[in-house]
Amino acid sequence: GENVEQHPSTLSVQEGDSAVIKCTYSDSASNYFPWYKQELGKRPQLIIDIRSNVGEKKDQRIAVTLNKTAKHFSLHITETQPEDSAVYFCAASQGGATNKLIFGTGTLLAVQP
Amino acid sequence: KAGVTQTPRYLIKTRGQQVTLSCSPISGHRSVSWYQQTPGQGLQFLFEYFSETQRNKGNFPGRFSGRQFSNSRSEMNVSTLELGDSALYLCASSLGWDAYEQYFGPGTRLTVT
Repeated sequence: GENVEQHPSTLSVQEGDSAVIKCTYSDSASNYFPWYKQELGKRPQLIIDIRSNVGEKKDQRIAVTLNKTAKHFSLHITETQPEDSAVYFCAASQGGATNKLIFGTGTLLAVQP
Repeated sequence: KAGVTQTPRYLIKTRGQQVTLSCSPISGHRSVSWYQQTPGQGLQFLFEYFSETQRNKGNFPGRFSGRQFSNSRSEMNVSTLELGDSALYLCASSLGWDAYEQYFGPGTRLTVT
């Protein structure tokens, strides 16, 4: 069935370093790949997304890359700050006309000051 | 614009009872999706509504049901509650129904004792 694998499950970096989170999806019909940031006790917040007709998208310190052939997509955060500490979820849309998202298991990012 | 709202925010029920959760999407958004979030299973898709029609359904038992009203507000109902239904129930609002950006509400924390 549909599946999204996410690695690593935990990631600790020093402030100012870069962080990379990787996801792999199984549904070749997936065409939309959002990333969410969830702070403790808060709602998931959409931080960036990419569609299958684009290979890379950047928004300030955050970038996402997509390799459709390999069914891989990644989140890159540069110049990390303590406020970047949170759980990050990747997701892939189910193929077809639907908003259904299949989520990865999450990455707990800790940015050490 | 006001964000997605969910009521109630917290709920404690006993096994066998039923519960109704409510979600009000962002003004102008016509699609509402529901997700269950637990530490063990992560974010799991429950169902999706657009213009009062259920467009997609996840792999949950028939005890989980939902509906959408003409003003796009949505409710989900869980009957015959089980301990394993304890979770954070999140709704997400989007403009359309085909891989559109989804914005989450704060969630309803349901505890079943």
